[in-house]
Amino acid sequence: EAGVVQSPRYKIIEKKQPVAFWCNPISGHNTLYWYLQNLGQGPELLIRYENEEAVDDSQLPKDRFSAERLKGVDSTLKIQPAELGDSAVYLCASSLVGGETEAFFGQGTRLTVV
Amino acid sequence: AQKVTQAQTEISVVEKEDVTLDCVYETRDTTYYLFWYKQPPSGELVFLIRRNSFDEQNEISGRYSWNFQKSTSSFNFTITASQVVDSAVYFCALSEKSTDKLIFGTGTRLQVFP
Repeated sequence: EAGVVQSPRYKIIEKKQPVAFWCNPISGHNTLYWYLQNLGQGPELLIRYENEEAVDDSQLPKDRFSAERLKGVDSTLKIQPAELGDSAVYLCASSLVGGETEAFFGQGTRLTVV
Repeated sequence: AQKVTQAQTEISVVEKEDVTLDCVYETRDTTYYLFWYKQPPSGELVFLIRRNSFDEQNEISGRYSWNFQKSTSSFNFTITASQVVDSAVYFCALSEKSTDKLIFGTGTRLQVFP
């Protein structure tokens, strides 16, 4: 069974440019998470979806970040415009049933804003 | 509010030594779930174990064992006879049933030297 797939693995952009990350969760997993991980820190939740509904986006900086999960499967996370401080690893994860079940993570996208 | 504390930032051991990684959590929920993840240098978070709040039975899986104690709000992880391949960052995580939000500690970097 395929795991969580993220692309791209690496992205380097200039500040003020837009960037998008894509995630394909494990088939059948209703819950999808986007996390941000800074160097030396634990993952921090940005947004959580149950099917196509964003049920927790309280930590998402909505002035520049947006996300969508069309048809309750794939998801994209967008930053526009990117700032230097957005340099981090963006992790996507999915779980069968919310926080009751374990989340499986993709390999992440390492974003560098120059 | 839920919180996970991993007080040990970094631990170094020599191969074959036993090592325990500490995890202390805070929650007001009576139903919650605890997890451990491993993040090797490749960067992908690997699920190790899940425990629910009603199951305090300790678990052993090969060289890995977990000690869950509700009285001290701790969920510690022990690696017996450590190996170089155990070198990674280990994260403890907590999800409350009421919020369904999965949050992580700051991680403990384990270095096992030959």
